[in-house]
Amino acid sequence: GESVGLHLPTLSVQEGDNSIINCAYSNSASDYFIWYKQESGKGPQFIIDIRSNMDKRQGQRVTVLLNKTVKHLSLQIAATQPGDSAVYFCAENGAGGTSYGKLTFGQGTILTVHP
Amino acid sequence: DSGVTQTPKHLITATGQRVTLRCSPRSGDLSVYWYQQSLDQGLQFLIQYYNGEERAKGNILERFSAQQFPDLHSELNLSSLELGDSALYFCASSFEETQYFGPGTRLLVL
Repeated sequence: GESVGLHLPTLSVQEGDNSIINCAYSNSASDYFIWYKQESGKGPQFIIDIRSNMDKRQGQRVTVLLNKTVKHLSLQIAATQPGDSAVYFCAENGAGGTSYGKLTFGQGTILTVHP
Repeated sequence: DSGVTQTPKHLITATGQRVTLRCSPRSGDLSVYWYQQSLDQGLQFLIQYYNGEERAKGNILERFSAQQFPDLHSELNLSSLELGDSALYFCASSFEETQYFGPGTRLLVL
């Protein structure tokens, strides 16, 4: 059949607002999660990571929350700036064995920050 | 700048041809990973090497192969190219679990 491009979720915010980007992951055995930011024409850039023995981790202007019960990950960006406009991906690793090293990426969310 | 370098940045070739993509990992990183990013499939893991040996394999086609050399740089070889192989190919490297990505090679197969 005809292939269809991915339709990415979008989030549009005003400069200075807080942004929340959500991600559902699939492998309940995953023990490590990462958020990446990808700007147009560039490779994914590491933002923050979290292990499954934690439910919250904070970085500079960013916070990642992990809810293992419902297999949900979120990225909160405080005081969002126009430079934060990009596609954001969550990724999970396998929990060892043959899945070790393999990152499985979500479809991504397009964040647009308006001045 | 992640410290991972990839060459070439762009590559245009014809169907049936073979190309080689090159990756240099960050200094000190022993693991190298290859990913493909296309519009309809998103970011897909292809293969991982650790200190010269294959460690994990994803949805990599038989027409594709990779290797990691003693100096730890890696090459991804794509042969019998098809139109559908047009995509961005990323290399990432890691010392432990956090993977840092290079700028990618954009491959266009005509």
